[in-house]
Amino acid sequence: GESVGLHLPTLSVQEGDNSIINCAYSNSASDYFIWYKQESGKGPQFIIDIRSNMDKRQGQRVTVLLNKTVKHLSLQIAATQPGDSAVYFCAELQKTSGSRLTFGEGTQLTVNP
Amino acid sequence: NAGVTQTPKFRILKIGQSMTLQCTQDMNHNYMYWYRQDPGMGLKLIYYSVGAGITDKGEVPNGYNVSRSTTEDFPLRLELAAPSQTSVYFCASSRDRIRGVSSYNEQFFGPGTRLTVL
Repeated sequence: GESVGLHLPTLSVQEGDNSIINCAYSNSASDYFIWYKQESGKGPQFIIDIRSNMDKRQGQRVTVLLNKTVKHLSLQIAATQPGDSAVYFCAELQKTSGSRLTFGEGTQLTVNP
Repeated sequence: NAGVTQTPKFRILKIGQSMTLQCTQDMNHNYMYWYRQDPGMGLKLIYYSVGAGITDKGEVPNGYNVSRSTTEDFPLRLELAAPSQTSVYFCASSRDRIRGVSSYNEQFFGPGTRLTVL
């Protein structure tokens, strides 16, 4: 069936560097793509979303890029900080499927001091 | 606002036992959701509700039941616990599914309930 998946299960970066977390999706009918951050022992926390008719969206220190041609989504974190260490999930939402979010398996980001 | 609260935080069940996972939100959200998260995996939707009295199945509903008698509460019931139900359970809520032209309404998650079935 349709799925959202991630290229890399782990990513290790140095503090201050930029991080790029990637996500591949297969459902071309998705209307929104969302990034969530999950710290150890906590529930997921919304970071940023992008609608399917957009290519780029920026937030505070984060940028999401959407390439519909190759069905690829990425999250860029500028000047990565130790507090950014967490598991990052991409998720997709299709309006016609009700309120369902379909999550990928997650990427563990580790920020080294 | 407390946001989304879940009880208990941890629970160990024996096979065949039953229990109810509680979820409450104080944001007056219409939409509520139950997810399960297995180790190292993403979240999978169990059930969701678009308002009091209305519930619908998600991706993995088997072995679970829900009810939504009030806007605030959305309990998840396990009738006959099985080892396959060992997981972390997250409840979430949102104001609506889609907010406007460019954004969807984000889901706010509770802290989770870690359930082990032995």
